[in-house]
Amino acid sequence: SHELTQPPSVAVSPGQTARISCSGDALPKHSTYWYQQTPGQAPVMILYKDTERPSGIPERFSGSSSGTTVTLTISGVQAEDEADYYCQSADISDSYEVVFGGGTRLTVL
Amino acid sequence: LQLQESGPGLVKPSETLSLSCTVSGGSVSGSSYYWGWIRQPPGKGLEWIGSMYYSGKTHHNPSLKSRVTMSVDTSKNQFSLKVRSVTAADTAVYYCARGLFGYCNDGDCYSPHFDYWGQGTLVSVSS
Repeated sequence: SHELTQPPSVAVSPGQTARISCSGDALPKHSTYWYQQTPGQAPVMILYKDTERPSGIPERFSGSSSGTTVTLTISGVQAEDEADYYCQSADISDSYEVVFGGGTRLTVL
Repeated sequence: LQLQESGPGLVKPSETLSLSCTVSGGSVSGSSYYWGWIRQPPGKGLEWIGSMYYSGKTHHNPSLKSRVTMSVDTSKNQFSLKVRSVTAADTAVYYCARGLFGYCNDGDCYSPHFDYWGQGTLVSVSS
């Protein structure tokens, strides 16, 4: 299997822009999905196929991809965005094997 | 669509952990999606356990070394997970989820992901 690397933590003030990176060798081959998890809750998918937002997800959440790194960007961060964020893709040699990043704790100062 | 995990919250070391996931608002028999299990040890990140497909095939995390068995019961609209020979390291919140692929081509599918999750159930392994 392969790994997806995320920074353990990111901290921003309300209204600022938060960027959370996710790096892995398989990312050029497989799409990346992002999940938001607030304490005590199940993860919720907030981006799919690198850049697409499911219905109901605010426009301030966006994604980008460049080579082996994908980035989740939260523009105009709000207090309610404080949560853990996980990227997810598949193994480079086994497309059925799901891989999660280690997660990033976003703190809104 | 709603998913709900159920099963014992406490399992003894070396025994088998058994969980079920009841699906409401949809069918476990559809071919456009699959069913998966993910777990999260206390204070840690998400770990994919395995997935089960319409064909009946299953795929699991190599790190679990074949301790995992997954099955589906269409009569109850449920799917299930068993993890054998558990240790304290298997203590986690266990989530069931519905899975999709980004696309399929020539019989192979790519970009697996999960769009609906259960609320999770904590399973502790302790004597």
